[in-house]
Amino acid sequence: AQSVAQPEDQVNVAEGNPLTVKCTYSVSGNPYLFWYVQYPNRGLQFLLKYITGDNLVKGSYGFEAEFNKSQTSFHLKKPSALVSDSALYFCAVREGGGFKTIFGAGTRLFVKA
Amino acid sequence: DAGVIQSPRHEVTEMGQEVTLRCKPISGHDYLFWYRQTMMRGLELLIYFNNNVPIDDSGMPEDRFSAKMPNASFSTLKIQPSEPRDSAVYFCASSSTRQGAPSPLHFGNGTRLTVT
Repeated sequence: AQSVAQPEDQVNVAEGNPLTVKCTYSVSGNPYLFWYVQYPNRGLQFLLKYITGDNLVKGSYGFEAEFNKSQTSFHLKKPSALVSDSALYFCAVREGGGFKTIFGAGTRLFVKA
Repeated sequence: DAGVIQSPRHEVTEMGQEVTLRCKPISGHDYLFWYRQTMMRGLELLIYFNNNVPIDDSGMPEDRFSAKMPNASFSTLKIQPSEPRDSAVYFCASSSTRQGAPSPLHFGNGTRLTVT
């Protein structure tokens, strides 16, 4: 069965500094990997996805993620954090060929001005 | 594109009452998902449909929960009877294979259910 782990409940970073939100996954086949963001009282919004190919994926709002097959990781990154990036971030995995999407527990990002 | 529409946004009910949550997916989307979000358990997949047919309901917690999708533009999640531990935010999401696999999920803004 597929699973996702986000080891950090919370990440704190100063505005302008780079940020990383960690994610590791477990699937039996080829993984499809996603990052979503959730703002208060809203549904999740899609940021980016990895299917195959280039290990560095670029997404919305300047975010990017690096796929590492040997470490089964898919960390979310941004070179320069904004206060408005403060939100709850979810990593998700789907086994290739399927549609069942499993989410991690979420990581709350605080960006301090 | 109006997005995924869920109703009601908030529902407060008493234990033992029937609760019905509603979802209108994005037009043309052929997959529909119901998730539940709580602080303790995070985001749990309850059930998902493809072309109105339930594909996987292994996440439905008990027989008190049921979900239907009578047509491509409407789905319901029903809890009967409701219990305080059902209090959570329930999300509906839709997706389309026509966007190219793997297509992301598009979430509604959720229904916050409180059972007293």
